[in-house]
Amino acid sequence: DQQVKQNSPSLSVQEGRISILNCDYTNSMFDYFLWYKKYPAEGPTFLISISSIKDKNEDGRFTVFLNKSAKHLSLHIVPSQPGDSAVYFCAAVTSGTYKYIFGTGTRLKVLA
Amino acid sequence: NAGVTQTPKFQVLKTGQSMTLQCAQDMNHNSMYWYRQDPGMGLRLIYYSASEGTTDKGEVPNGYNVSRLNKREFSLRLESAAPSQTSVYFCASTGQGANTEAFFGQGTRLTVV
Repeated sequence: DQQVKQNSPSLSVQEGRISILNCDYTNSMFDYFLWYKKYPAEGPTFLISISSIKDKNEDGRFTVFLNKSAKHLSLHIVPSQPGDSAVYFCAAVTSGTYKYIFGTGTRLKVLA
Repeated sequence: NAGVTQTPKFQVLKTGQSMTLQCAQDMNHNSMYWYRQDPGMGLRLIYYSASEGTTDKGEVPNGYNVSRLNKREFSLRLESAAPSQTSVYFCASTGQGANTEAFFGQGTRLTVV
């Protein structure tokens, strides 16, 4: 049973436009959410996170939105750059459990 | 500051062979994790260690064992490798306190033939 789902395996966006990556979760106990970026042959690197007490967190070109009632979060990248081309994973954890659960990933391709 | 270091980077095993994947972190982190990444399956948690001296099963623990040797090191052992364990394995660690980001190693690409 997949507790964290990323239903879009891939996404292509023109350079300079907005990229929107989506993530759904089923466990209502999750209270902290993270996004990671992964380049080929490298480990995932942390991008941005959000606590369940917030509905938005922004860091430069990256913004994460959380809709708790819908159990949905999204990552917005504006403007998208070719260097953003990577696989993006969302992850979720319940405080105190230390059990970080990841989604299946979305491959983003930013076209120059 | 190396972060999270995994060895080896690549390994080919024959079915039935055993091996241990090594992981060490130098960030004084309390918690450590082993994930596997497979096409279309994302990153799946195999085992984790919330603190030194404790280990717990993750989503896909069957066929694996772990040892938290000390605060720095967390190893993953395959006792009798199977082709289904062909994957890329990632070790990660998190610092103290709730809700911190995980730092990942570069991965070990394991092929079982």
